[in-house]
Amino acid sequence: DVKVTQSSRYLVKRTGEKVFLECVQDMDHENMFWYRQDPGLGLRLIYFSYDVKMKEKGDIPEGYSVSREKKERFSLILESASTNQTSMYLCASSLYIGGLRGGYTFGSGTRLTVV
Amino acid sequence: GENVEQHPSTLSVQEGDSAVIKCTYSDSASNYFPWYKQELGKRPQLIIDIRSNVGEKKDQRIAVTLNKTAKHFSLHITETQPEDSAVYFCAVTGTASKLTFGTGTRLQVTL
Repeated sequence: DVKVTQSSRYLVKRTGEKVFLECVQDMDHENMFWYRQDPGLGLRLIYFSYDVKMKEKGDIPEGYSVSREKKERFSLILESASTNQTSMYLCASSLYIGGLRGGYTFGSGTRLTVV
Repeated sequence: GENVEQHPSTLSVQEGDSAVIKCTYSDSASNYFPWYKQELGKRPQLIIDIRSNVGEKKDQRIAVTLNKTAKHFSLHITETQPEDSAVYFCAVTGTASKLTFGTGTRLQVTL
């Protein structure tokens, strides 16, 4: 069974902390994505990566950065966490960047609360 | 960038009835239109998709229709069952080659 694994299901962090969210996939996919999910706003793309060490900004990159040192791992970094970054964060991977031929495989999500 | 609007935001139907969710998009060059289902507490999963060269696609009780001229596409679920209760997201792949999601529709199937 193909898997995208996010390291934490729930996280509580303090304002101003540096936060790392980790995602690992075992499908040898080139493309990986970070989305945040908020009620009424759907899934919004933060960053994506189409190759090791490559990254592209999504629709809402402000306040975030990413790292992809290995093909299977894609990390999302909140440089200085703020309360408006409280959200559900979903990682995904895909064979094709647009999602054709199998779509995106999502992780179970990390619910981050910033207090 | 691509703009995807999804309606309605919530939908309640009785078991056995049909449900229809509609999405409109802005980029006329968009070429791929998947639908994802997210059950409560679970991850989104692809349930059906359609490419721009096809007008309709069916898979058992679910179907998707695409009107490229009007730039809208719809998800149709027939003979709804309680297990169809979930949040449904449409998505579009446009010229930027990445998926843009709609805001989601919470479908509730009542007995």
